Amino acid sequence: AQKVTQAQTEISVVEKEDVTLDCVYETRDTTYYLFWYKQPPSGELVFLIRRNSFDEQNEISGRYSWNFQKSTSSFNFTITASQVVDSAVYFCALSEHYFGNEKLTFGTGTRLTIIP
Amino acid sequence: NAGVTQTPKFQVLKTGQSMTLQCAQDMNHEYMSWYRQDPGMGLRLIHYSVGAGITDQGEVPNGYNVSRSTTEDFPLRLLSAAPSQTSVYFCASSRRTGNTEAFFGQGTRLTVV
Repeated sequence: AQKVTQAQTEISVVEKEDVTLDCVYETRDTTYYLFWYKQPPSGELVFLIRRNSFDEQNEISGRYSWNFQKSTSSFNFTITASQVVDSAVYFCALSEHYFGNEKLTFGTGTRLTIIP
Repeated sequence: NAGVTQTPKFQVLKTGQSMTLQCAQDMNHEYMSWYRQDPGMGLRLIHYSVGAGITDQGEVPNGYNVSRSTTEDFPLRLLSAAPSQTSVYFCASSRRTGNTEAFFGQGTRLTVV
């Protein structure tokens, strides 16, 4: 069975600091997809990134970057120069290729608070 | 496009009552799913569907029924509500091919008293 672990339950940092959210996953599949979603205080789920298991290139999008390492089964998310608007709960999720996206396994989430 | 629309946004039920949470998507997505979100537990899959007429159980299906008579709609039925079903429910949809993101509805906050 697949599993996603987000060991950091809550993180608080002062605005403009960098912060990394950890995600470790388990799967028996060789083909799979990893996701990050943001859940702001308003409650909706906002898609941030999707990465497939064959693409280990790191990705950067503005202040956001993701580090995918198959050797350690990790898909970590870094926010550079954090802002108050980054305060949210962040979820890492895993989808096994065979089942597409209808069966996502989520981690328990990391609540990030940015202190002004 | 409206995306994924869930109704109602909030609901209070008494123990033993039944109700249906509605979910509709206008993106012609084949895949649809229902999740529940509980504090400290992330989102857990209740039921999912890979197309009209096809449904299957997820991780926590007990107490819930689904059907998929059309591509657009995927209602979730609570047969006899229990306090343990107090949760926030999310519906999601995605395309079958290309492995794109899953689009989520705004959520339904359900309280069973």
